[in-house]
Amino acid sequence: NAGVTQTPKFQVLKTGQSMTLQCAQDMNHEYMSWYRQDPGMGLRLIHYSVGAGITDQGEVPNGYNVSRSTTEDFPLRLLSAAPSQTSVYFCASISIGKGTEAFFGQGTRLTVV
Amino acid sequence: GESVGLHLPTLSVQEGDNSIINCAYSNSASDYFIWYKQESGKGPQFIIDIRSNMDKRQGQRVTVLLNKTVKHLSLQIAATQPGDSAVYFCAENSVPRGKLIFGQGTELSVKP
Repeated sequence: NAGVTQTPKFQVLKTGQSMTLQCAQDMNHEYMSWYRQDPGMGLRLIHYSVGAGITDQGEVPNGYNVSRSTTEDFPLRLLSAAPSQTSVYFCASISIGKGTEAFFGQGTRLTVV
Repeated sequence: GESVGLHLPTLSVQEGDNSIINCAYSNSASDYFIWYKQESGKGPQFIIDIRSNMDKRQGQRVTVLLNKTVKHLSLQIAATQPGDSAVYFCAENSVPRGKLIFGQGTELSVKP
């Protein structure tokens, strides 16, 4: 099993550009989430999903969109990139039977110039 | 609102000593509290959790203590090793159960 796979690992965007961060998991987990991590800070929840077709906002959802058309995939879309969105983004998945053990991807380091 | 915070941003210990990492939380409705470890350049990794109706849980070299009276959570690492050097986060499991809210993190540095 690959676990949680995020692509790309690194990305540089210009202000105003849009892009999609990809996240895929092969563990058949029901829950998936996106977090951002800024230097010296914890992880802040952007959006999460409790299953295919169901998404909800987290702590910092503005500027981001998500969709969950399949159990495996949970892409994060930046609509119009801003320098404030420079961060490391982590995707995570959790099994409904073990609601505390999140499996994280390796992260996407995004820089907006 | 929901928030989970940490008392100390950095902690330096001698190899072989015990480490104690602390965390304060504010959401009394959380049913689980969890500790994660994040090594440099990697995503966080689950260490141990504790249900809100417990006050202590032990794992391999780690113990988590929960004091609901003062809304305090701690992680004790016995015989700290260089491989324990990382940032440690506490988190709470909100509703729905897959929704994890993380605290700020404590960087643990182990001196040989």
